[in-house]
Amino acid sequence: AQSVTQPDIHITVSEGASLELRCNYSYGATPYLFWYVQSPGQGLQLLLKYFSGDTLVQGIKGFEAEFKRSQSSFNLRKPSVHWSDAAEYFCAVLYTGNQFYFGTGTSLTVIP
Amino acid sequence: EAGVTQSPTHLIKTRGQQVTLRCSPISGHTSVYWYQQALGLGLQFLLWYDEGEERNRGNFPPRFSGRQFPNYSSELNVNALELEDSALYLCASSREGLRGRTEAFFGQGTRLTVV
Repeated sequence: AQSVTQPDIHITVSEGASLELRCNYSYGATPYLFWYVQSPGQGLQLLLKYFSGDTLVQGIKGFEAEFKRSQSSFNLRKPSVHWSDAAEYFCAVLYTGNQFYFGTGTSLTVIP
Repeated sequence: EAGVTQSPTHLIKTRGQQVTLRCSPISGHTSVYWYQQALGLGLQFLLWYDEGEERNRGNFPPRFSGRQFPNYSSELNVNALELEDSALYLCASSREGLRGRTEAFFGQGTRLTVV
């Protein structure tokens, strides 16, 4: 069965520090991969997506993610976190002709 | 271009009542997804509609139901409301893309409180 795992429920980082949020998916075929961000009480906004090609993708707000087929991972990174990055982050996968599957989310706290 | 719109934004219901939530997808989008996000929990998949048909449903009791209309808008109905149904209900839409390449666009959600 298809699934998406975000191992870290909650992460706290200092402002200016680097960030990496983990995402692993399970399935044999290469999926389409996404990262979304959710501010409190709001809907989800797309940060970036991977369909094919270069495995390092750039997104909005200075985020990037790298697809690693051998590890079935699509980790989200940012070199320097800003206080405004505090939010909930969701990884998602899409298989052709199928539905979107979302991870359980990682809550990011940024401390001064 | 208008985004995904959901109505109402907030509502309060009493246990045992019934509620209908509405979602209008982005123009040209044929798929609509419904998710429940209870406090402290992730996105729980409820329903997926595409071209007017229910394609899949999550692990929710039958009192959660919905439909998609010919204009691709959708309704989510919840009968016999329980306290634990209190949550943010999110709707997302997507279009059929070349080689299946598409993305989900989310509405702002409906905050349901059951008292």
